[in-house]
Amino acid sequence: QVQLQESGPGLVKPSETLSLNCSVSGGSISSDYWIWIRQPPGKGLEWLGYIHYSGSTNYNPSLKSRVTISVDTSKKQFSLKLTSVTAADTAVYYCARERAIGYHLGYHYFMDVWGKGTTVSVSS
Amino acid sequence: AIQMTQSPSSLSASVGDRVTITCRASQGIRDDLGWYQQKPGKAPKLLIYAASNLHSGVPSRFSGSRSGTDFTLTISSLQPEDFATYYCLQDCFYPRTFGQGTKVEIK
Repeated sequence: QVQLQESGPGLVKPSETLSLNCSVSGGSISSDYWIWIRQPPGKGLEWLGYIHYSGSTNYNPSLKSRVTISVDTSKKQFSLKLTSVTAADTAVYYCARERAIGYHLGYHYFMDVWGKGTTVSVSS
Repeated sequence: AIQMTQSPSSLSASVGDRVTITCRASQGIRDDLGWYQQKPGKAPKLLIYAASNLHSGVPSRFSGSRSGTDFTLTISSLQPEDFATYYCLQDCFYPRTFGQGTKVEIK
């Protein structure tokens, strides 16, 4: 059974770069879509972007050009980088797997495996 | 981006009650919508995908439906372990967008 585990610094200074890794165990990273989502304290969920195992990416325009997601299949992990952070980037960051199921009109997608989340605070 | 308007933002209910949560999409998203349950301090869990398909292992008291751009999550008989926050998520367009969440509390 696939499991995901986020790792990275819990504290980042304003204007610096937030870097997180998500390790994939119990299954292959060479399939599916790999997602980053965050949740500010007491607020709802925000989709940040995905990387497909092929390397294709898609990012939330709300983050403009600050976000980059990459994958290292040899290490079975994917990563998030968010530059020029501010206090507004303080959140719990989750990684997740998104699967695609084909049907006659296209694909259905769903996020069926999530990491436990890691808290990142932006403060000097 | 697609706006997902979820209602109510919170509700109080008793064990055994039938509970209904609604999400409305700002434009057509076919049936590309999922429902997720989140308990405090935990990651969200998938309940339903493609508007009405129950994810493996999810109790049958959970169901989903669609009427146009309106989507409904129904819990037929609320159980103690169902007190949580529920989110809808559209997966038709990028960026993916969540509803604001519905907190289900004990009456």
